Amino acid sequence: QVQLQESGPGLVKPSETLSLTCAVSGGSVSDINWWSWVRQSPRKGLEWIGEMSPSGTANYDPSFMGRVTISMDISKNQFSLKLISVTAADTAVYYCARHVAVPRTRGFDYWGPGTLVTASS
Amino acid sequence: VLTQSPGTLSLSPGERATLSCRASQSVRSTYLAWYQQKPGQAPRLLIYGGSIRATGIPDRFSGGGSGTDFTLTISRLEPEDFAVYYCQQQYAVSRPYTFGQGTKLEIK
Repeated sequence: QVQLQESGPGLVKPSETLSLTCAVSGGSVSDINWWSWVRQSPRKGLEWIGEMSPSGTANYDPSFMGRVTISMDISKNQFSLKLISVTAADTAVYYCARHVAVPRTRGFDYWGPGTLVTASS
Repeated sequence: VLTQSPGTLSLSPGERATLSCRASQSVRSTYLAWYQQKPGQAPRLLIYGGSIRATGIPDRFSGGGSGTDFTLTISRLEPEDFAVYYCQQQYAVSRPYTFGQGTKLEIK
């Protein structure tokens, strides 16, 4: 059974960097699935942040471009999110998720439980 | 942009629910997914590839549609089905994913 677990600070000061890690168990991050970060806030709902391929290629939503980096650590079987220059608008529950591996389809079949990150001084 | 309607749907157990998701431009149907979310939980994949039920999803859930109009149908509502439902799409490979704003399905 695949499981994902987000971890990282729950409180980040404005202008600083948000760093989260998603530990994957029951599967390998370098197998065939892609992986994503999604956040959810009352103001914006569900927002896709970006994705990473099993080979390490990343794609980002244009609204986060320039502020976001997604990376992978195969040795630890995890992938990470870094978001720089955070503001109060980045306060949200952050989820990591696995993409369905069926070709030419879309959907995220496994999600972590989510972690609340608050941007506040 | 994905627009879901209605914002809130009030129905009774045993009734049929039809939730709508409209895209601002044509979407490949296989690039459309539906999720269920309950308070304090992560979204749960119900339908991927437009119409394929995810593992463990009961057959009372079905997805369909094409072009810009898609629907999630729950044939006979069970008490555990009352939740918020989201559609998600990707217009093309390497384009951003977007989510609808959600439809809250509440007990009448």
